[in-house]
Amino acid sequence: KQEVTQIPAALSVPEGENLVLNCSFTDSAIYNLQWFRQDPGKGLTSLLLIQSSQREQTSGRLNASLDKSSGRSTLYIAASQPGDSATYLCAVFMGSARQLTFGSGTQLTVLP
Amino acid sequence: DTGVSQDPRHKITKRGQNVTFRCDPISEHNRLYWYRQTLGQGPEFLTYFQNEAQLEKSRLLSDRFSAERPKGSFSTLEIQRTEQGDSAMYLCASSFPDRAGKLFFGSGTQLSVL
Repeated sequence: KQEVTQIPAALSVPEGENLVLNCSFTDSAIYNLQWFRQDPGKGLTSLLLIQSSQREQTSGRLNASLDKSSGRSTLYIAASQPGDSATYLCAVFMGSARQLTFGSGTQLTVLP
Repeated sequence: DTGVSQDPRHKITKRGQNVTFRCDPISEHNRLYWYRQTLGQGPEFLTYFQNEAQLEKSRLLSDRFSAERPKGSFSTLEIQRTEQGDSAMYLCASSFPDRAGKLFFGSGTQLSVL
């Protein structure tokens, strides 16, 4: 059974810092990996999707990397802003299971 | 609005009552998913449809839960005889058939069972 772990569970940083969120998964036979953002009481917004054949994806200040063999992904946020405060969720898609398996998320607070 | 739409946004009910949620996926998407999320946790898979066929159900989906997608478009999730443990955010997502794993989520229905 696929298990996804995110560390740390919570993170607080001052505005302007660069930061890294970590995600690990136990079964490396993934189809793809997605990073989502979730604001309190809201749904999920997809940030980046990395196919299993890719090593990284970039969107603006966000960069996600994938090391499938070691079962790890990182989300790098450059020059953090208070508006980045949210919970960030990592999820892996197993083609055979046809579903996303999520981690518990990292709650990020960027202090002005 | 071309996103995934869920209704209602919030539902408060008393224990033992039945509730029904609706999800309208993005129109070109033939795959539809239901997830449940409790506070401080990531979403957990409940069930999945391809067109009108329900192809997979999680063990989390007890006999009190039923999901339908009668015409392969919108879907409903019904919970019968609600329990306090059913309190959660219920999320719907949809995807293209040729881009499996790229899920688009709705804003969710927050259920509170008193």
